[in-house]
Amino acid sequence: DIVMTQAPLSVSVTPGESASISCRSSKSLLHSNGITYVYWYLQKPGKSPQLLIYRMSNLASGVPDRFSGSGSETDFTLKISRVEAEDVGIYYCGQLLENPYTFGAGTKLELK
Amino acid sequence: QVQLKESGPGLVQPSQTLSLTCTVSGFSLTSNSVHWVRQPPGKGLEWVGAIWSGGSTDYNSALKSRLSISRDTSKSQVFLKMNSLQTEDTAIYFCTRGTAHWGQGVMVTVSS
Repeated sequence: DIVMTQAPLSVSVTPGESASISCRSSKSLLHSNGITYVYWYLQKPGKSPQLLIYRMSNLASGVPDRFSGSGSETDFTLKISRVEAEDVGIYYCGQLLENPYTFGAGTKLELK
Repeated sequence: QVQLKESGPGLVQPSQTLSLTCTVSGFSLTSNSVHWVRQPPGKGLEWVGAIWSGGSTDYNSALKSRLSISRDTSKSQVFLKMNSLQTEDTAIYFCTRGTAHWGQGVMVTVSS
């Protein structure tokens, strides 16, 4: 199985500042079709996960452009610019390249 | 708009079979995949399996021997059946349209 490793496990951010979350995969997520199958999700307290970024760098519908995704074949970053109170929750990276799809352990974002 | 809603028993006895239903609206099952993802209390996300637009299925290899996913396109419903339940199967079970849209989840507790 592909292992997804996130860092840090928690981050505390001052509103208005930026935050970055890293995710590393145990195997390249770059498909031969040129698409990198890494996804980012936010799970707000008591809610279902919501898709933020798909295929490494594409913003999901309705997601503020304060969120951005980047990376290589095995190392990925979610950046949140100008953090707001509504961004609090647990962020997960996930790979949808091969069965079984797997997720990182999550990064908890809190406000200072 | 796209909606998914899980339903099923909240409590299942050990060794028994879990049956869950995901009722969808706003999209066609013959054009979209539906996945099941579960989350044990206080823990991360685990992909359970999926049924693809053509009706084929994929299962997490760790659960494959106990798992079945099917659908009724006329009723816009997807079904999950998992047998030989153990306490480790206690979790919130989510259905999701290709991981872009998620249901609210249903809490399943395995206990006698």
